[in-house]
Amino acid sequence: SQQGEEDPQALSIQEGENATMNCSYKTSINNLQWYRQNSGRGLVHLILIRSNEREKHSGRLRVTLDTSKKSSSLLITASRAADTASYFCATVPQGGNNRLAFGKGNQVVVIP
Amino acid sequence: EPEVTQTPSHQVTQMGQEVILRCVPISNHLYFYWYRQILGQKVEFLVSFYNNEISEKSEIFDDQFSVERPDGSNFTLKIRSTKLEDSAMYFCASSWKRDYEQYFGPGTRLTVT
Repeated sequence: SQQGEEDPQALSIQEGENATMNCSYKTSINNLQWYRQNSGRGLVHLILIRSNEREKHSGRLRVTLDTSKKSSSLLITASRAADTASYFCATVPQGGNNRLAFGKGNQVVVIP
Repeated sequence: EPEVTQTPSHQVTQMGQEVILRCVPISNHLYFYWYRQILGQKVEFLVSFYNNEISEKSEIFDDQFSVERPDGSNFTLKIRSTKLEDSAMYFCASSWKRDYEQYFGPGTRLTVT
């Protein structure tokens, strides 16, 4: 089954810096969604990008999607300590079901 | 802002017991989902529900699992005879339309002893 797969990295950055994380997937998708999870808590929806979109912004978040490379990136600009969390990408496959397939997540630590 | 709620936040049960996890999706949403996350692992899809029936289920969602929308607001997941490996965080989610954002609840941590 297709999976969203983030680059297996943990980021540790200073407050004010930008954080970038990547996600790749294997099969055609309908859309890709990014989520944030604070330690042991619920999943907060950040942004959805559809297969016919290339870039999307929401506040300090910028998501890109390259369907030819089957990859997406999430950029958080001017990071804050409150951005410390795990970030997951999740894909919805094209044509059919609506299940989200999650990646393993990227741990981001923003140092004040 | 509307949100998905789940109860209880933590459930401890003995192996072989039945548990019911409860969710109240966002009120105008039409699609409902259950996912689970075993500690340290990926979030996994269990089941989706639309128009009062299961629209899709994963291989995890075997005969021990069932879902129900008993009234206009609640959405439940029942595990008939819990196993140790059912210990996980269970998330409910809902979306307004198919292929739209799925909004998640805070989760129920199920511990089977």
